[in-house]
Amino acid sequence: ETGVTQTPRHLVMGMTNKKSLKCEQHLGHNAMYWYKQSAKKPLELMFVYNFKEQTENNSVPSRFSPECPNSSHLFLHLHTLQPEDSALYLCASSQDWGRVYGYTFGSGTRLTVV
Amino acid sequence: DAKTTQPNSMESNEEEPVHLPCNHSTISGTDYIHWYRQLPSQGPEYVIHGLTSNVNNRMASLAIAEDRKSSTLILHRATLRDAAVYYCILIEETSGSRLTFGEGTQLTVNP
Repeated sequence: ETGVTQTPRHLVMGMTNKKSLKCEQHLGHNAMYWYKQSAKKPLELMFVYNFKEQTENNSVPSRFSPECPNSSHLFLHLHTLQPEDSALYLCASSQDWGRVYGYTFGSGTRLTVV
Repeated sequence: DAKTTQPNSMESNEEEPVHLPCNHSTISGTDYIHWYRQLPSQGPEYVIHGLTSNVNNRMASLAIAEDRKSSTLILHRATLRDAAVYYCILIEETSGSRLTFGEGTQLTVNP
């Protein structure tokens, strides 16, 4: 247990479905992140939130919609996904920008789009 | 982002020390050097980080060259559970939140 909890661990969804990924941290961190890791590719940063405000959207398609209701919770709402969106989605958190203190990652949600 | 270069893979024997190198010749004075590792089907795990001085923690040691153009992650006694992909990442003062992962080094630990 890293202190960053992601649910569900595994998700299979059809292309017309709507689902949400949840991330929760009780480390007192103020910044939270979504990363995507496709098979045999490096992690890609998707979104960044600091004190609930989105500070970065790394050109992510609108079928991915993040939500950060407070500094402890982060959601990724999914709709009309494509099979190529199948990947490991990782949530991370940090105190401030993480440069000085490091980042804590969750175990990820393995998403399969059929 | 400042670039790092790591070997694609390394092998070690169980209970022996492992030295994982990382080159970062374009590092600037305010860049922090971070190391993370990722086991199969898991999220990355923080290992250690530093700025200029060598660092030790319960997981590993980080040796930073005097000119800061390279660093070495040292696992003092490798175990089978240390088999993972190890990422050396520079975080620039101006990059804000960006943690950019490269390909990393796949460490295999032989029993």
